[in-house]
Amino acid sequence: EAGVAQSPRYKIIEKRQSVAFWCNPISGHATLYWYQQILGQGPKLLIQFQNNGVVDDSQLPKDRFSAERLKGVDSTLKIQPAKLEDSAVYLCASSLQGLREQYFGPGTRLTVT
Amino acid sequence: RKEVEQDPGPFNVPEGATVAFNCTYSNSASQSFFWYRQDCRKEPKLLMSVYSSGNEDGRFTAQLNRASQYISLLIRDSKLSDSATYLCVVNNNNDMRFGAGTRLTVKP
Repeated sequence: EAGVAQSPRYKIIEKRQSVAFWCNPISGHATLYWYQQILGQGPKLLIQFQNNGVVDDSQLPKDRFSAERLKGVDSTLKIQPAKLEDSAVYLCASSLQGLREQYFGPGTRLTVT
Repeated sequence: RKEVEQDPGPFNVPEGATVAFNCTYSNSASQSFFWYRQDCRKEPKLLMSVYSSGNEDGRFTAQLNRASQYISLLIRDSKLSDSATYLCVVNNNNDMRFGAGTRLTVKP
């Protein structure tokens, strides 16, 4: 079974630029999550989708971050404009449903200079 | 108080040792619990779910104490390959919260 796919794996941008990340969850998984993991910390949930609807985006900095999952499968996370403190690994995960175990993609390592 | 707290360690143990980690959570209504392991510069991988009755998978045992609001992970007969960061995850009504992780190093 194919796992969660993410791209790109690495991205370096300057502050104030824009960046987008893509995620393809495990087939059949209704729930999709985006996390931000800063070095030395646990993953922090940014947004959770159930199919194409948002379940929780309480920790998403909405002035600069946006995410969508239009057809209930793939998802994109965008940052515009980026700040230095956005440097982190952005992890996508999926699960069959909200209370079940999650499976993570390899992440996108973002460096903002 | 953080929603999910773990001792960051590091725990440095010899091969063959038994080591235990605890994780406390603040929301008494939390519904599901997990342990993940994360290797350096890799994504978290599910180690085991934690059930109310406790559960065991080989050398790993997980327990949940709802009254005291903590979960534990016990690793017996530690292997060098167990060296990683162990993350506990607490889920309340689809709100997933990760601890910051406990770093384990198993030495020869």
